[in-house]
Amino acid sequence: NAGVTQTPKFRVLKTGQSMTLLCAQDMNHEYMYWYRQDPGMGLRLIHYSVGEGTTAKGEVPDGYNVSRLKKQNFLLGLESAAPSQTSVYFCASSYSKRDTQYFGPGTRLTVL
Amino acid sequence: GQQLNQSPQSMFIQEGEDVSMNCTSSSIFNTWLWYKQDPGEGPVLLIALYKAGELTSNGRLTAQFGITRKDSFLNISASIPSDVGIYFCAGVTTSGTYKYIFGTGTRLKVLA
Repeated sequence: NAGVTQTPKFRVLKTGQSMTLLCAQDMNHEYMYWYRQDPGMGLRLIHYSVGEGTTAKGEVPDGYNVSRLKKQNFLLGLESAAPSQTSVYFCASSYSKRDTQYFGPGTRLTVL
Repeated sequence: GQQLNQSPQSMFIQEGEDVSMNCTSSSIFNTWLWYKQDPGEGPVLLIALYKAGELTSNGRLTAQFGITRKDSFLNISASIPSDVGIYFCAGVTTSGTYKYIFGTGTRLKVLA
C-alpha cells in the first residue's frame, strides 16, 4: 500500500515549456486535490476532483489544467510554464470532502 | 485566495517546554484539522475536530475547536526535538461552497 505517490520529484523547465505532473493513489479515494506550496503562503488549492471524470477549480487555478480519467490518477498540466509557477506541488486524496487528506511527497518545480 | 491566520509564524522553544499555537478565520468552519509537515515531506494529519467546543488529544498533542467555530488551538506538551516542523491548521466547510482552507503555518524549532 503505497498511499499517494507523485512523479516526478524534481523538474526544471524553461519559460513556455509544458509538462504534466502525475499523482496516483491506491486507497480507492473518491476525492483528489492539487496544491501548491510557496514560502510563507501555506498550501493553496489549485484544482480538485470529486470522482472519476470530474474536476473543479480551487483557489488558484489559472495556468493549470487537470484530468481524472481514472479514479486512482489525477494529472496536473502546465501548458506554458511561467516563473511564477515555481513552487512545490502536492497532491492529496481523501475518502470524502470532510475527511483527512493524505498527501504525496511533493514535486519541486523550478521554471527559469 | 483565502488563507487562515496562524499564530505565531515561528517559534523557538527549549526541549521540555509546552507549546501553544492558534488558527483564526473570519469564516465559520464545521471541521478543523491540524497537520504537521516535516522537511521534504507532505503534511500528515495529527488531529481532527468535528464539533464546536470539542477537545481532542493525540499523545502529547491537544487541540480544541473554538466555540465560535472561527478558530482552533493546538497545544504540545513537553516538547521533544522530533516535534520540529511546520504545523498547519485547516478549516473545512461542506455547506454551500466547499472550502478546505489551510493556514499559513507555524514553524516550530526545538532547542535541545
